[in-house]
Amino acid sequence: GAVVSQHPSWVICKSGTSVKIECRSLDFQATTMFWYRQFPKQSLMLMATSNEGSKATYEQGVEKDKFLINHASLTLSTLTVTSAHPEDSSFYICSAGAPGTGPAVGYTFGSGTRLTVV
Amino acid sequence: GENVEQHPSTLSVQEGDSAVIKCTYSDSASNYFPWYKQELGKGPQLIIDIRSNVGEKKDQRIAVTLNKTAKHFSLHITETQPEDSAVYFCAASKDTDKLIFGTGTRLQVFP
Repeated sequence: GAVVSQHPSWVICKSGTSVKIECRSLDFQATTMFWYRQFPKQSLMLMATSNEGSKATYEQGVEKDKFLINHASLTLSTLTVTSAHPEDSSFYICSAGAPGTGPAVGYTFGSGTRLTVV
Repeated sequence: GENVEQHPSTLSVQEGDSAVIKCTYSDSASNYFPWYKQELGKGPQLIIDIRSNVGEKKDQRIAVTLNKTAKHFSLHITETQPEDSAVYFCAASKDTDKLIFGTGTRLQVFP
């Protein structure tokens, strides 16, 4: 089945620094990747949708300059949290898919990244 | 836009009993309804899904039912086991559009 690898699984950074999270589709080409944020005991909130080779589409209220998304290849998307602050601490999860290939591939999630900003 | 409501928020059952989680959606154009299981500190894992042209789907102890007219769908877990304990999320989408998630149900199965 489709596998999505996400790294790192957890990261601690100092306030003001930037953190990059990688999301890779291991056995399929992902034309679309989704980035979610999840606070403790809450649901997944979609942050942005990235399509390979084009700019990401951000959800309302998500700062584009704060959360930089790059989807330069069909197997890799990155989320960079710039100038991180404690309020950015959260669980970030990616999902990769190739529209039209079926839901099982379309919505395969990574294992998530726990970001803690101190 | 689409809005998905999920109930209950917490559910405790005895091992061997059944568990039912219900979701309602608002957009009648939604046609894909997956259910995810999320264990602590991990990403969601697809456990079963259903498309709008089907009323019911079953996979061993797990089943999903869909009522398009009422715009609600349910997850049924039979013969629950302690390892079924997790947070379950329903979701809805149109074709391969973005998923809209429910608020989640924390299921606890007591031995």
